[in-house]
Amino acid sequence: KAGVTQTPRYLIKTRGQQVTLSCSPISGHRSVSWYQQTPGQGLQFLFEYFSETQRNKGNFPGRFSGRQFSNSRSEMNVSTLELGDSALYLCASSLVLQAYNSPLHFGNGTRLTVT
Amino acid sequence: TQLLEQSPQFLSIQEGENLTVYCNSSSVFSSLQWYRQEPGEGPVLLVTVVTGGEVKKLKRLTFQFGDARKDSSLHITAAQPGDTGLYLCAGGINAGGTSYGKLTFGQGTILTVHP
Repeated sequence: KAGVTQTPRYLIKTRGQQVTLSCSPISGHRSVSWYQQTPGQGLQFLFEYFSETQRNKGNFPGRFSGRQFSNSRSEMNVSTLELGDSALYLCASSLVLQAYNSPLHFGNGTRLTVT
Repeated sequence: TQLLEQSPQFLSIQEGENLTVYCNSSSVFSSLQWYRQEPGEGPVLLVTVVTGGEVKKLKRLTFQFGDARKDSSLHITAAQPGDTGLYLCAGGINAGGTSYGKLTFGQGTILTVHP
């Protein structure tokens, strides 16, 4: 069974540009969550999508947005990039919405560097 | 807002030593999950504990959930270089009957085991 696939693995962008990251969940998983990971802040929750609808949202500005397609694949977009957006962006899938007793399956992330 | 604090932040030990990582909160959680993340990869679930006082063993790793379900610990016996990585705890809340709700992650403990 293929794991969670994130593309691209690495991205270098300039301040002010926008970027789109992609995530393909494990087959059969309907929930996709996005996290930002930085050394200083740890793993910060961005949002969760289930059945093409955003179900949970973290405390990030509106520059961060996402969507989910009918095949459960998800994309995350960041507009007007800032230096502070440099981070590892992780996608995690699960069978159903995040629950206290169900595991998250993470991809290997997209490393975004903003210069 | 539920917060999870992990300690220590960094741990550097020699092969064969024992160690304990702590995950503490002032809030009660329905579950605690532990993940390990290796460089260049996403976090991988090690264990989920859901009952206060529960102890789970995974080879040389022992996980404990506090009686009050506010804290958890991970103990590694006879550490090996392959144990090197970032260890993350994540707390989950059983939100009523739906079980829905995002996980809250601790900042992580970076463990380095030297040969």
